[in-house]
Amino acid sequence: GAGVSQSPSNKVTEKGKDVELRCDPISGHTALYWYRQRLGQGLEFLIYFQGNSAPDKSGLPSDRFSAERTGESVSTLTIQRTQQEDSAVYLCASSSRRAGSTDTQYFGPGTRLTVL
Amino acid sequence: GESVGLHLPTLSVQEGDNSIINCAYSNSASDYFIWYKQESGKGPQFIIDIRSNMDKRQGQRVTVLLNKTVKHLSLQIAATQPGDSAVYFCAEIKQGGKLIFGQGTELSVKP
Repeated sequence: GAGVSQSPSNKVTEKGKDVELRCDPISGHTALYWYRQRLGQGLEFLIYFQGNSAPDKSGLPSDRFSAERTGESVSTLTIQRTQQEDSAVYLCASSSRRAGSTDTQYFGPGTRLTVL
Repeated sequence: GESVGLHLPTLSVQEGDNSIINCAYSNSASDYFIWYKQESGKGPQFIIDIRSNMDKRQGQRVTVLLNKTVKHLSLQIAATQPGDSAVYFCAEIKQGGKLIFGQGTELSVKP
């Protein structure tokens, strides 16, 4: 079946502009995660959605970052007034989070954001 | 603070040899770990997981070992192939399911 998809695959923007990154999770997956990966680094947790519960925003680095999710479908990560340090690959993952499941997270290919 | 880290940033092996990638964690309360493989330009791909009530788990050509006494995790890849070249991350599952990733080890397989 279809995996997690993300768009755009690449985004180049100018400092100070706003950007929106999109994630389409695997159908039926109730949990959705956003991570940031800087060059040569591991992944940093940003935000987590689970069903209709309040999202876990504990990883968002500043108030310029926000994310929304409609039901158990598409999610959008928005970065306002982008800075050069925001340049990274932004990865989305989803998992089924069913009772008894291993909660394996399946990742999309990521969006490479470059802020000039 | 809590961390999941790797001992070596790079590992180079000969095709056909076995590879061992190590990971140390600091949170003794951690009870679930995952190894991911990330190829260039792609998202991480699940390889194998292990819970803290286990010492060893085997998959296809891969084995994960967990030593809770010294808080050490390792991934063994048997008969390493060129297609195994990638960056390997260990990750710890935190409450709520969010993953805490280590730095990563880049595995290079020489033909």
